[in-house]
Amino acid sequence: TQLLEQSPQFLSIQEGENLTVYCNSSSVFSSLQWYRQEPGEGPVLLVTVVTGGEVKKLKRLTFQFGDARKDSSLHITAAQPGDTGLYLCAPLPPRNAGNMLTFGGGTRLMVKP
Amino acid sequence: GAGVSQSPRYKVAKRGQDVALRCDPISGHVSLFWYQQALGQGPEFLTYFQNEAQLDKSGLPSDRFFAERPEGSVSTLKIQRTQQEDSAVYLCASSLAGYAKNIQYFGAGTRLSVL
Repeated sequence: TQLLEQSPQFLSIQEGENLTVYCNSSSVFSSLQWYRQEPGEGPVLLVTVVTGGEVKKLKRLTFQFGDARKDSSLHITAAQPGDTGLYLCAPLPPRNAGNMLTFGGGTRLMVKP
Repeated sequence: GAGVSQSPRYKVAKRGQDVALRCDPISGHVSLFWYQQALGQGPEFLTYFQNEAQLDKSGLPSDRFFAERPEGSVSTLKIQRTQQEDSAVYLCASSLAGYAKNIQYFGAGTRLSVL
């Protein structure tokens, strides 16, 4: 079983600050997804990273996939209160290994105005 | 709305009661998933349907948990003789087709509290 570790578990920052959260594993991912879950809602897909070393940008969010495809990071520039939520990573399962997602424990981010 | 709909949004049950949680997936979506999310944790897989067939139920924690999708659309997750450790948010997700790279769309969940 692939063990996913997300860090930090909790992060509380002021509006305008920058932050980085991490998703790490001892196993190699074929590809990885990042989700954001706002309070009282289900997770919403932000991005899928596929290639080792890949960098994807979504407005103020920058996603990076490690060269060895064992880790990923999410950097948020100039955080806003609307960024508050639980950030989850989940590798896509290998072919023929089922279609379910296995999530990390998440990073709970609070951005204070 | 065109999203995944779950009902009820909140359910309070006395220990030992049976509960039924409903999921209406996005119309035309072949795959349907149930996840359990404990407080402060990421969601954990419970079971997966492709149309009406339950292809994987390896995540169901005990035989008190039962899921069905008889017509390949709406699904119901039933928990018999609820216990306090069943308290969690139960999330349903659907995806267009039955392969791993399809995007899963999540409902807002049902928050179950067992007293």
